[in-house]
Amino acid sequence: EAGVTQFPSHSVIEKGQTVTLRCDPISGHDNLYWYRRVMGKEIKFLLHFVKESKQDESGMPNNRFLAERTGGTYSTLKVQPAELEDSGVYFCASSQESGLLNEQFFGPGTRLTVL
Amino acid sequence: DAKTTQPNSMESNEEEPVHLPCNHSTISGTDYIHWYRQLPSQGPEYVIHGLTSNVNNRMASLAIAEDRKSSTLILHRATLRDAAVYYCILRDGYNEKLTFGTGTRLTIIP
Repeated sequence: EAGVTQFPSHSVIEKGQTVTLRCDPISGHDNLYWYRRVMGKEIKFLLHFVKESKQDESGMPNNRFLAERTGGTYSTLKVQPAELEDSGVYFCASSQESGLLNEQFFGPGTRLTVL
Repeated sequence: DAKTTQPNSMESNEEEPVHLPCNHSTISGTDYIHWYRQLPSQGPEYVIHGLTSNVNNRMASLAIAEDRKSSTLILHRATLRDAAVYYCILRDGYNEKLTFGTGTRLTIIP
């Protein structure tokens, strides 16, 4: 069974440009999460989808970030326009069920560098 | 989520047991204790979780203090592949999200 995949693995863009990150969860997992670690900080939650619906987007830093999950399968996270402080590693995770006992499976992350 | 406190780093010899401590003195009665780890250049991965009783799985054991204010993740026989950052996370019934702290960076000495 394939794990969570993320594309691209690395992205280098200039300040002001747009970048779109993609996450493919494990097949059959209704729950999808985005997290990120910016330079020198801890891994922080961004948002949580249940199927195509945003269940919790309390961690989204500002309106330059837009997450979508059309059809309830893969998800995209768009940053527009990117700023220097957006540099970091963006992780996607998925889980089969909701609830505090669920095991979240993480992808390898996308390393974003904004110059 | 309640806060956890872990040592920044630990070292252990290969093939010896490792005990990774976590303090969570403000834990509430409904908080579960979860452990994740992050291997180099990978995303975090689930290790184990528990509520009150000690737990064992193929990866590790979790020993929970009677007052639940602390817990210890036990790797019975560390290998080089266990070198990672280990995160102790409290989860309540209201939040799906994982709240990561700084974790403990475990170094395994060959």
